[in-house]
Amino acid sequence: SQQGEEDPQALSIQEGENATMNCSYKTSINNLQWYRQNSGRGLVHLILIRSNEREKHSGRLRVTLDTSKKSSSLLITASRAADTASYFCATISSGANSKLTFGKGITLSVRP
Amino acid sequence: DAGVTQSPTHLIKTRGQQVTLRCSPKSGHDTVSWYQQALGQGPQFIFQYYEEEERQRGNFPDRFSGHQYPNYSSELNVNALLLGDSALYLCASSPRLAGGQETQYFGPGTRLLVL
Repeated sequence: SQQGEEDPQALSIQEGENATMNCSYKTSINNLQWYRQNSGRGLVHLILIRSNEREKHSGRLRVTLDTSKKSSSLLITASRAADTASYFCATISSGANSKLTFGKGITLSVRP
Repeated sequence: DAGVTQSPTHLIKTRGQQVTLRCSPKSGHDTVSWYQQALGQGPQFIFQYYEEEERQRGNFPDRFSGHQYPNYSSELNVNALLLGDSALYLCASSPRLAGGQETQYFGPGTRLLVL
């Protein structure tokens, strides 16, 4: 079963604009991760944020986490055509397990 | 430093057949997880191996089985293939020493088509 629900399902923006993607989840988590997938290929890890963190940055990426609302957002600033891909949030639940539970993903299209 | 590798890249089988997919983890990683990704969906966890044993399992039938070798490489076997098994199969590796809750690195996947 899917844990995360991303929003919106699809996003189309102009190059240079910022892209904001949201994710909500259902259970208590240890951490939340964002991945990118190009054209049905393997997943590329973007960023990991732990349950005791509220915000994290990596290059043009900014991730926030609100555990009280069970939600996260991924902001990509100054988007490029190469950012066109599907983006997934995935959670690792609290406890001893380490399986990733993914949402259905967001399709981002950046127009040149 | 080689990342996670998977073979084959593509595979076509017919219903009822059996298939074996292979995965070599990233150097220094001893934990391997397998995921199934249907078209237009997010990946679904199948199972995880470390120390050559299945440690966690998702909601998949017994037709899905696996193995891990002493060199940490892993296989996913699917018996009695169904049309619904058509999907991208992803392997991910991580270091167990990190508590198993760190970043998982994914391979390029094996695309399986069942006719």
